Amino acid sequence: DAKTTQPPSMDCAEGRAANLPCNHSTISGNEYVYWYRQIHSQGPQYIIHGLKNNETNEMASLIITEDRKSSTLILPHATLRDTAVYYCIVRVAGGKLIFGQGTELSVKP
Amino acid sequence: KAGVTQTPRYLIKTRGQQVTLSCSPISGHRSVSWYQQTPGQGLQFLFEYFSETQRNKGNFPGRFSGRQFSNSRSEMNVSTLELGDSALYLCASSAGTSLQYEQFFGPGTRLTVL
Repeated sequence: DAKTTQPPSMDCAEGRAANLPCNHSTISGNEYVYWYRQIHSQGPQYIIHGLKNNETNEMASLIITEDRKSSTLILPHATLRDTAVYYCIVRVAGGKLIFGQGTELSVKP
Repeated sequence: KAGVTQTPRYLIKTRGQQVTLSCSPISGHRSVSWYQQTPGQGLQFLFEYFSETQRNKGNFPGRFSGRQFSNSRSEMNVSTLELGDSALYLCASSAGTSLQYEQFFGPGTRLTVL
């Protein structure tokens, strides 16, 4: 079973920051938080991952709370092409990715 | 670097047949994982291979099998196809098996079972 909880859907205005929350209250000390997104019928696209520190790359920022029980993915300037299903995943020992239902993000003009 | 490639992209089979799907990982990647995506069950892990050995297996019947070759390319096979096997089959490659290594997905193979 997925170890994460995400809202099923969110809207965001084009050009604004999109903040996608994720709860993972049962995460263990050595488990990573991964974010992927999937545009309809394409393969999931890797976005970012982290263990306990905040992370930033060219696509997004990942903010992990100090107790590691929740995190937020931030897309700083959302565009229409960011419309997708976003998956927050806790990667467990053994390495497999256990996907939940994700958040369907709609970026609107 | 070229990404993960999967062949074929689309496939139509009938019940009872078998099918083989192929995955070529990113150059230098030695770990390959397979996932099944259906509207009802979402994305589910099938199995993972590293250095030609299966390291991890999901909760699927024995009709689903796979293998990895010495060049890291992988195949998965589904025998005695059922209607419920219609799905998008995704392959992901990774540089290693540590939790810190990202998995990069291919475009998938869309299998339709009639």
